[in-house]
Amino acid sequence: EAGVVQSPRYKIIEKKQPVAFWCNPISGHNTLYWYLQNLGQGPELLIRYENEEAVDDSQLPKDRFSAERLKGVDSTLKIQPAELGDSAVYLCASSFGLAGGGGNEQFFGPGTRLTVL
Amino acid sequence: QKEVEQDPGPLSVPEGAIVSLNCTYSNSAFQYFMWYRQYSRKGPELLMYTYSSGNKEDGRFTAQVDKSSKYISLFIRDSQPSDSATYLCAFMNRDDKIIFGKGTRLHILP
Repeated sequence: EAGVVQSPRYKIIEKKQPVAFWCNPISGHNTLYWYLQNLGQGPELLIRYENEEAVDDSQLPKDRFSAERLKGVDSTLKIQPAELGDSAVYLCASSFGLAGGGGNEQFFGPGTRLTVL
Repeated sequence: QKEVEQDPGPLSVPEGAIVSLNCTYSNSAFQYFMWYRQYSRKGPELLMYTYSSGNKEDGRFTAQVDKSSKYISLFIRDSQPSDSATYLCAFMNRDDKIIFGKGTRLHILP
């Protein structure tokens, strides 16, 4: 079974440029997560989707970040414009079953490493 | 007080030694207690998962939870160079939101 797929794996851009990340979750997984992982830190949740609905976006900086999950499968995360402080790894994860069921294992992709110059 | 405290290391031990990794937490609402392993340039992968106080064993790995002290541990027996990675403690609420520790970098020396 294929795992969570993310692309690109690496991205280098100049500040103020836009950037987009793509995630394909494990087939059949209803819930999709985007996390931000800074160097030397654990992942922090940015947004959670249940099917195509964003059910928790409280940690997403909405002035420059946006996300979508059309048709409840693939998802894209966009930053516009990027700032120097956005340099980090952006992880996508997916799980089977909706939140609230308790203990749904999240499977992580390899992440996209963003460098903003 | 931070919600989760984890020593970032690095921790270096010789091959074959017993490794002890620990985290403390402050949120009594946490219901699930987990350990993730993250290799360099990879995403985290779930290693151990439990929801009750006590010990849970899986091969060379033992997860220990003490809810009264708000303290969790991961023990690795007969450590191998392939165990070299960052180990993240993680806690989940009833709504499946995970709070991660900073991670401890572990090096097993051949």
